Amino acid sequence: DFVMTQSPDSLAVSLGERATINCKSSQSVLHSSNNKNYLAWFQQKPGQPPKLLIYWASTREFGVPDRFSGSGSGTDFTLTISTLRAEDVAVYYCQQYFGTPFTFGQGTKLEIK
Amino acid sequence: QVQLQESGPGLVNPSETLSLTCTISGGSISSYYWSWIRQSPGKGLEWIAYIHYSGSTEYNPSLKSRVTISVDTSNNQFSLRLKSVTAADTAVYYCARGDPTNYYDSSGHLINSWHNWLDSWGQGTLVTVSS
Repeated sequence: DFVMTQSPDSLAVSLGERATINCKSSQSVLHSSNNKNYLAWFQQKPGQPPKLLIYWASTREFGVPDRFSGSGSGTDFTLTISTLRAEDVAVYYCQQYFGTPFTFGQGTKLEIK
Repeated sequence: QVQLQESGPGLVNPSETLSLTCTISGGSISSYYWSWIRQSPGKGLEWIAYIHYSGSTEYNPSLKSRVTISVDTSNNQFSLRLKSVTAADTAVYYCARGDPTNYYDSSGHLINSWHNWLDSWGQGTLVTVSS
């Protein structure tokens, strides 16, 4: 199985500042046939289901604000929120869809400092 | 905008079978993949299984011996059955849609497919296993 490890487990950032969340996969999620990274990022607020933010490691889902960006390749990935807003308080998860069983990171809790 | 809604009992006795249904509205079950995922405080988000509209399935090996996923295209629903449940199966269960890459031949027959990201989720339903 692909083990997805996120860091840090929790993060406190001031409003307007940058937030960075890391995700490391135990195996590469870069597919050689199409040079795409099979990695997604989700945002989950209390009492709500996860919401897709990013797929192919760096493509924003329709309607997701451009302050959210994804980067990385192979085994190391980053989700960046460029200018933190109060509504970004949530738990963030990475997930690989390179192979089954699909697996998620343990989550990173983002709070306001 | 597709919407997914989970339904089923919120309380299941230990050793019995958990049965959930996901009803899809605002879109067709065709062309897509459909998954069940659960979330418990102890284990985070755990993907359980998916089914393609064509009927092909994949299961998480950790649950495979106890899980059955099925699709009812005529009613735009798919279902989960998890047998022999214990307290460890207590969780919020989500259904979700998987974005597909489908390949068709010149006659329009599906010849290959790949499951990509999970793009739409239901609100989730809490299932508690307890007597």
